[in-house]
Amino acid sequence: GENVEQHPSTLSVQEGDSAVIKCTYSDSASNYFPWYKQELGKGPQLIIDIRSNVGEKKDQRIAVTLNKTAKHFSLHITETQPEDSAVYFCAAIERGGGADGLTFGKGTHLIIQP
Amino acid sequence: DTGVSQDPRHKITKRGQNVTFRCDPISEHNRLYWYRQTLGQGPEFLTYFQNEAQLEKSRLLSDRFSAERPKGSFSTLEIQRTEQGDSAMYLCASSSAGTGQETQYFGPGTRLLVL
Repeated sequence: GENVEQHPSTLSVQEGDSAVIKCTYSDSASNYFPWYKQELGKGPQLIIDIRSNVGEKKDQRIAVTLNKTAKHFSLHITETQPEDSAVYFCAAIERGGGADGLTFGKGTHLIIQP
Repeated sequence: DTGVSQDPRHKITKRGQNVTFRCDPISEHNRLYWYRQTLGQGPEFLTYFQNEAQLEKSRLLSDRFSAERPKGSFSTLEIQRTEQGDSAMYLCASSSAGTGQETQYFGPGTRLLVL
């Protein structure tokens, strides 16, 4: 089955600086990679996703890059703000394959220092 | 609110008791998923439905767990003879398969504590 590794487990950055979270996956058949933000006591909220036919996707201050050859993908947050503080999860799945459950990384606790 | 809803939000029970959780997906989403999340971990897939058919079960779903989606709308997850190891957040998600927009949207979760 799929295995997703996520690093770092905790990331502390100054407000206004950039944050980068990295994930690797094991199953080359995976073709969809969403990122979720989870605040305390809430369910995960999708913030951006990327499909395997593109290498990069941006949405305002958030971007995701994908390297299929190396089987890794990264989340980039620029101009960080206090409200970006949360736990971020990457995930992978082979859409259209036999198992349609997402495989998640263990999460990154992002702390924005004022 | 047109998002995924779950009920109850919190449940405390004693070991050996049965519990049932409910999930109402986004209207017209034909896929519904259950995940379990323990402290400090990412969600782990348990099972999913396409309409009323249960199509996939993780090996995490022991015989004490059963899920239903009788009319292809809301779903229930029942845990029989609860154990302390069942303490976790149970998350429900829904998606619209076949439209090219298969993003999974999560509910707020039901936090279970087994004493």
